[in-house]
Amino acid sequence: DTAVSQTPKYLVTQMGNDKSIKCEQNLGHDTMYWYKQDSKKFLKIMFSYNNKELIINETVPNRFSPKSPDKAHLNLHINSLELGDSAVYFCASSWRTSGVSYEQYFGPGTRLTVT
Amino acid sequence: AQSVAQPEDQVNVAEGNPLTVKCTYSVSGNPYLFWYVQYPNRGLQFLLKYITGDNLVKGSYGFEAEFNKSQTSFHLKKPSALVSDSALYFCAVRPDSNYQLIWGAGTKLIIKP
Repeated sequence: DTAVSQTPKYLVTQMGNDKSIKCEQNLGHDTMYWYKQDSKKFLKIMFSYNNKELIINETVPNRFSPKSPDKAHLNLHINSLELGDSAVYFCASSWRTSGVSYEQYFGPGTRLTVT
Repeated sequence: AQSVAQPEDQVNVAEGNPLTVKCTYSVSGNPYLFWYVQYPNRGLQFLLKYITGDNLVKGSYGFEAEFNKSQTSFHLKKPSALVSDSALYFCAVRPDSNYQLIWGAGTKLIIKP
């Protein structure tokens, strides 16, 4: 069974379109994340939800909006796509407990190409 | 500002030789330290972590890492490299003051037969 899954795996779209990426985890974790990995492989945290509550909201354009309908799902909606949004987007999940640091489990990634 | 440095963009090692991938950090307090590996076109996989205790921690695929508090380093090591170890390796640090990970830029490890 896939622990953290993302759909779609590839997404090719034109500038100005709106698109969504979905993420699901079956690990029972209470915290989920969205990361962006650019062409130079730099990894940047975008958002994090803990028990459906937004806890990390980095400097990301307002065109990006995360939604967490429940603890097992975290979706990313992107409005008015721009060329610079082209990247690989990773979803991850983990436990988050005071005083304990758990590792994150990553999905396979969604490669977004904006033309 | 808190940061994590992986000083080598790429490390080349012959198969069978020991390997080291370096990581140093600058964060306040007592951080938690992690190593992840990313194979081509895949997501990141957790390798190992240091929370407290023994400075040498062992992880997946025969990897280990040594925590050195005085040098603020957490270098990843393996006694005998395999060609299949070729991948991108990320060091990440969680300051004890919050839950957000600070990521290094990644080091590409190439193991040559």
